[in-house]
Order: sequence, then structure tokens, then C-alpha cells
Amino acid sequence: GNSVTQMEGPVTLSEEAFLTINCTYTATGYPSLFWYVQYPGEGLQLLLKATKADDKGSNKGFEATYRKETTSFHLEKGSVQVSDSAVYFCALNTGRRALTFGSGTRLQVQP
Amino acid sequence: DADVTQTPRNRITKTGKRIMLECSQTKGHDRMYWYRQDPGLGLRLIYYSFDVKDINKGEISDGYSVSRQAQAKFSLSLESAIPNQTALYFCATSENGRTDTQYFGPGTRLTVL
Repeated sequence: GNSVTQMEGPVTLSEEAFLTINCTYTATGYPSLFWYVQYPGEGLQLLLKATKADDKGSNKGFEATYRKETTSFHLEKGSVQVSDSAVYFCALNTGRRALTFGSGTRLQVQP
Repeated sequence: DADVTQTPRNRITKTGKRIMLECSQTKGHDRMYWYRQDPGLGLRLIYYSFDVKDINKGEISDGYSVSRQAQAKFSLSLESAIPNQTALYFCATSENGRTDTQYFGPGTRLTVL
């Protein structure tokens, strides 16, 4: 079956620090990979995605590269802001059913 | 207006009651989904529908049922609510499969006493 493992939180950083949130996956078939973000009190929204190996997704200063050889899709940002405080979910989709999510990582950015 | 709406946004009910959560979308997508979010567990799939006549169980469908009334509407029912169904419920929609973004509603917070 499909599964996604991401680092547990909370991750607490100071403003302008470098962020990495690790994500690895197992999948039957060839998945697309996603990062979704959930701000307090809101639903999930797409942050970025990559649909084939070696693709890099990017948005709002966040980046992640689809690494098929290591089955990973780590999220990075060079300089976090307080407004980035949220819960981040790594997910995959093989197209057969729906998204398979990781357990989520809460990020807290302190001024 | 939001592309995906859910009603109600919050609901408190008692054990044994029947509850319906409703979802509507204006994106014109065929695919719709119901997920449940619990702390530390991410989102888990309850049911999904690839078109009006196609409804499928997800990984945690026991105790739930769904109805796809139209392309734009997908309702989730708890026939006899129990306390461990207390959770945040999300509806989502997408155009098709592997590469497409899923668009989520704002969620319904359900508490079963």
C-alpha cells in the first residue's frame, strides 16, 4: 500500500532561520507528490507539488524536489517568517483513489 | 465566494444521533472526497466519488455513509454517532487523478458527546 512518513513536530524556529521538514514515501505505482499547508482555523491548501522524478516544486519561497532514488520530498525554505507558522502535510497520489497524507508537522516561528 | 463550502462549520451532538455533513463545490470537478482529521494522524480517507454514479469506500468508512446528489454535492452521514467520531471533517474536490490539485473546504468540527 501507500504511505507517507514525515518528521514529527512541533518544529520551533526563530524568524529568518532555515527550514527543512523531511518526508519519505512508499507507493504502489508512480505517485505525484504534494505539500499542503493548514493555517490555524482553516482548511488545507496546496503549497507546491511535483509530478515526476527530479521535478522541483516551489511556491512562496518554499521548495521540494522529487527524489525517486531516495523516495523523498523534503520541504525547505531559506528564511522563515512568523506568518509561515502552520501545519504542513506531505502527501502522495497515484491516481487510483485519493491523497495519502503524512501525519503533519506543526511549525512555530518565533519573532 | 469559496470554491468548496461545507455546512455546518461546527456541530455538537449526542451519542446515537444521526448527523449529515454537506459539501458543495463550484469548480465543476467530477471527483469529490471526504477526509477525517485527528490530531497526530493526518487526514484519512472516508469515502470518495469519481463521478455521480461512482462511490467508493476509503480506509475508514465504517460508521459512515455518503450520497452524491449531483456533480456539485457530496454529503457525509453518521447514522448513529459515537464519541470516537469526534474530529475535523474535510471535503475536497479535484478535476481528475494523479497530478491534479485537490481543493479543500474549510472543514466541519464535529463533537459527539
